Amino acid sequence: DTAVSQTPKYLVTQMGNDKSIKCEQNLGHDTMYWYKQDSKKFLKIMFSYNNKELIINETVPNRFSPKSPDKAHLNLHINSLELGDSAVYFCASSQSRLSSYNEQFFGPGTRLTVL
Amino acid sequence: QKEVEQDPGPLSVPEGAIVSLNCTYSNSAFQYFMWYRQYSRKGPELLMYTYSSGNKEDGRFTAQVDKSSKYISLFIRDSQPSDSATYLCAMTAGQNFVFGPGTRLSVLP
Repeated sequence: DTAVSQTPKYLVTQMGNDKSIKCEQNLGHDTMYWYKQDSKKFLKIMFSYNNKELIINETVPNRFSPKSPDKAHLNLHINSLELGDSAVYFCASSQSRLSSYNEQFFGPGTRLTVL
Repeated sequence: QKEVEQDPGPLSVPEGAIVSLNCTYSNSAFQYFMWYRQYSRKGPELLMYTYSSGNKEDGRFTAQVDKSSKYISLFIRDSQPSDSATYLCAMTAGQNFVFGPGTRLSVLP
């Protein structure tokens, strides 16, 4: 059984387009995250939701908008894509933000290429 | 100074070698320290975690934390080609969860 799944796995698109990446977790976790991993493998948090409520919103262009329809899903919509948005985007989940220690479970990643 | 720094590598070692991977950090509030392993084109997966200072051993892997020096290490004994991956340290204090930039390790048969 897949714990954290993302679609699509690969996304190739032109500059200026709008695209969405979907994430689902079947672990019953309360908290979900979006990370961006650039070409140098640096993993940087973008957003975190706890029970559909936004709790972390790092300095990310407002072209990026997360949406959580329920606590098992966290989607990422990107408007007006730019070349610099090319990266691997990872979704992750953890049990609860209230825990002192939160193991995060990662999805397989979505490799976005903007041409 | 970056919040978490890590030897960038890449690191190539022969099979059977002892590998030492290290991170330093600046935020003394960090309490939980983790090592994630990321295989090529996969998501990171948790390898080990420790709370506060001390050592923790799991098979061929040993994690060490020295909070007084703000320094953590992961040792891999008898390294195997299957250990070839990028290793990311991570640390957390409350909602603040930060990853190091990762060290790419290649274990050559």
